[in-house]
Amino acid sequence: QQPVQSPQAVILREGEDAVINCSSSKALYSVHWYRQKHGEAPVFLMILLKGGEQKGHEKISASFNEKKQQSSLYLTASQLSYSGTYFCGTVSYNTDKLIFGTGTRLQVFP
Amino acid sequence: DAGVTQSPTHLIKTRGQQVTLRCSPKSGHDTVSWYQQALGQGPQFIFQYYEEEERQRGNFPDRFSGHQFPNYSSELNVNALLLGDSALYLCASSSISGTEAFFGQGTRLTVV
Repeated sequence: QQPVQSPQAVILREGEDAVINCSSSKALYSVHWYRQKHGEAPVFLMILLKGGEQKGHEKISASFNEKKQQSSLYLTASQLSYSGTYFCGTVSYNTDKLIFGTGTRLQVFP
Repeated sequence: DAGVTQSPTHLIKTRGQQVTLRCSPKSGHDTVSWYQQALGQGPQFIFQYYEEEERQRGNFPDRFSGHQFPNYSSELNVNALLLGDSALYLCASSSISGTEAFFGQGTRLTVV
C-alpha cells in the first residue's frame, strides 16, 4: 500500500522551515526521499536504513522511526531551489520494491 | 559517468498500438525498475529486473512486459495501448547490493 505523506502542500517564504511526514502501514526496511521539479525526473536526496537514523544534506535532513513506520524530512532556511514535489519511497522487508508516497508539493516564494 | 538514460524522450501512439521504451542504467548498476507516473501523481511501480529476470511486479496488467539484456539495459513493452496509458514512464537503476535508486529523465507517452 502507498505511504501517506502530509501535508499535501506547503507554501513558504525564503528562509522559512518546513517538515514533511511520511507514514506507512508496513514494517519498513528503508525510506528514500526524492524531489521532483515539474517536467523532470525525481532526484534522489537521501536514504535512511535504520530505525531512529537521521541524515542530513546541507540544510535538508531526515529522520526514520522504524517502530512507528514513519519518516520526516526537515527543510531548514528554505531556498527558492527547494520548490518542487517531495516524495518518500519506502522499501518493506522481504521486498525490493520502492513504493512512492502520495507526494507533498512545496512552493518557496521570495 | 553517464547517468540513467532513456529513449525516446517523447512518443505519440494510437490506441491499440504497441510501444517499446528503452533504458540504460547508470554505470555499475545491475537492477532496473520501471515506473508509470500519471500527471499530478506519484510514480507507480511496474516491475523490476535483475539478472535478466523479472523479480518484482506491481499491479499492472500483462499488457506491460519487459526485458533486461546482458549489459543490464532494459526495455518496457506495452501492448494494446489505452488512452489511460498516457503518462511519464520512468526508469530507475540501482545496485542489487546497494540501496539508492537513480532515475532517468523519463519517456513521455501520449496515446491518442
